[in-house]
Amino acid sequence: DTAVSQTPKYLVTQMGNDKSIKCEQNLGHDTMYWYKQDSKKFLKIMFSYNNKELIINETVPNRFSPKSPDKAHLNLHINSLELGDSAVYFCASSQNNRMVGYTFGSGTRLTVV
Amino acid sequence: QKEVEQNSGPLSVPEGAIASLNCTYSDRVSQSFFWYRQYSGKSPELIMSIYSNGDKEDGRFTAQLNKASQYVSLLIRDSQPSDSATYLCAVNDNYGQNFVFGPGTRLSVLP
Repeated sequence: DTAVSQTPKYLVTQMGNDKSIKCEQNLGHDTMYWYKQDSKKFLKIMFSYNNKELIINETVPNRFSPKSPDKAHLNLHINSLELGDSAVYFCASSQNNRMVGYTFGSGTRLTVV
Repeated sequence: QKEVEQNSGPLSVPEGAIASLNCTYSDRVSQSFFWYRQYSGKSPELIMSIYSNGDKEDGRFTAQLNKASQYVSLLIRDSQPSDSATYLCAVNDNYGQNFVFGPGTRLSVLP
């Protein structure tokens, strides 16, 4: 199946831990993204990345870092997790074309306790 | 700072009625406009895109764009209970690749 896949789907962890969320797309898209959706369902961009440029939303704490081993993968590392990091994190991808929408992954529900 | 605004709802309509969802945006240079549907606990799913002023129809969905008023809407004809979801408006700009999403409107279609 052509898709954007994220793992894990659920992640429960304690404050202070470091965790990673993996994302892979087999759509041949040029650009990948991480979005955070909070409890009020507001989707906010965290990062966008293609093989040339990483764009970081300036409101994202530097505890969050994207890592891209290749064009098809964009993983999200989070250090020193805090309670406020609890949210659903969506990976997405698109062609490098402003006229096309995103394809979203299924999301990772992160709960920090 | 780009902003995209939507009425959070819930918007309740009876089955078979027309549901009208509205979105306004602040960035005048925006060129691409998208509507996503998100069922509870699921990921957003692209349902419509529109780039030019006027109407664009796809099945029961019609997107309407008015760039002068910075306004984009989504009409759902013959609403079905399966249309009950949150509808997200997303706006791209002419300079970047990213989208700004509105807060979403929750639609409830009552049988």
